[in-house]
Amino acid sequence: GAVVSQHPSWVICKSGTSVKIECRSLDFQATTMFWYRQFPKQSLMLMATSNEGSKATYEQGVEKDKFLINHASLTLSTLTVTSAHPEDSSFYICSARDLLSGHDTGELFFGEGSRLTVL
Amino acid sequence: GQNIDQPTEMTATEGAIVQINCTYQTSGFNGLFWYQQHAGEAPTFLSYNVLDGLEEKGRFSSFLSRSKGYSYLLLKELQMKDSASYLCAAWDSNYQLIWGAGTKLIIKP
Repeated sequence: GAVVSQHPSWVICKSGTSVKIECRSLDFQATTMFWYRQFPKQSLMLMATSNEGSKATYEQGVEKDKFLINHASLTLSTLTVTSAHPEDSSFYICSARDLLSGHDTGELFFGEGSRLTVL
Repeated sequence: GQNIDQPTEMTATEGAIVQINCTYQTSGFNGLFWYQQHAGEAPTFLSYNVLDGLEEKGRFSSFLSRSKGYSYLLLKELQMKDSASYLCAAWDSNYQLIWGAGTKLIIKP
């Protein structure tokens, strides 16, 4: 299957700083990527849909100015958590579907996830 | 509203069979997914059902009944490595993926 790589896997930062998480599709082009957040023992919560070359679509309740999403190419989307606070500590996961190759089955390919801890 | 229900936790014995149920209520329906998620890792795809019936893939099978809004994931010959959370997710009419909270499966020797 298609591979999505996410970096960094772990990040610890001080309150008030910004953190950037990268999501790359390694062997396919992704016009759309999805960013999720997952708190312990809870399911995935869709934060936003990242669209290549255009603005991201944010879910209700997700602050656009706090969670900046950039999808500048067909293989890279970034999520920047600005002015991070302890309550932003979570597991952030990106995913993508292989829509351009003609082999899309609906399957979401997930990155490895990034665990953010804000002190 | 849209909703996915699945048990929070289940326990089974190594070598046995376990069935994880999922019921869904969505605005329209375009298919149901099962994902496996080990602790601290991202989910991995297990199955996709859009037609009624049973889909078998090795030790794992997934069943769908659209009229009942019901699916189950059947795991046979359980192995310790099957200990994980199993997430049920359904596509609504707009192809928005609605996620269940996941079922934590504990396998005992």
